Amino acid sequence: DTAVSQTPKYLVTQMGNDKSIKCEQNLGHDTMYWYKQDSKKFLKIMFSYNNKELIINETVPNRFSPKSPDKAHLNLHINSLELGDSAVYFCASSQLAGGPYNEQFFGPGTRLTVL
Amino acid sequence: KQEVTQIPAALSVPEGENLVLNCSFTDSAIYNLQWFRQDPGKGLTSLLLIQSSQREQTSGRLNASLDKSSGRSTLYIAASQPGDSATYLCAVSRTGTASKLTFGTGTRLQVTL
Repeated sequence: DTAVSQTPKYLVTQMGNDKSIKCEQNLGHDTMYWYKQDSKKFLKIMFSYNNKELIINETVPNRFSPKSPDKAHLNLHINSLELGDSAVYFCASSQLAGGPYNEQFFGPGTRLTVL
Repeated sequence: KQEVTQIPAALSVPEGENLVLNCSFTDSAIYNLQWFRQDPGKGLTSLLLIQSSQREQTSGRLNASLDKSSGRSTLYIAASQPGDSATYLCAVSRTGTASKLTFGTGTRLQVTL
């Protein structure tokens, strides 16, 4: 019973291609996130959606476009992939959009390698 | 801008030792602080969440404390085991209309037999 799942787990592609990563949560949470973990293992927020509405956009290049068809899904589409996009992308979810009780739960990650 | 630092960056201890991991943050206007563990090639597992009004939280052999005024948190692991070997990350959630976690740099822990 995976709480937050991501597909694919690994993604290897050529520079310039367009790719998507999918995320689904079965926790009944209202808020979902995308984080990026770079080669130095540093994690940084990219986007957050609450009930299908974008609430956080952390100065990410517009080649990255999140899409939330419903509150259980948050997909990440990346256009014109660049070498610097190689990283591990984590999806997360939480019951609330903010506040002291807001605990976030993470998926297993998608390792993207751009050649 | 919130900055989160974790010390030490790496730690190796023999099995059975008690140990403390440190986390410091620059902006005390936080909703909560969350401790995670990350195994190599895996996702993040939430260990403990401490709300800004709390001083500590306990789960099994883990105890996390929070001193918001000084911008510090510690994660205490009692009677360490080889299975505790992982990278431990702390993250803070700043007050505001939406929650985003600002992560520390992590402490890589190895517990040896």
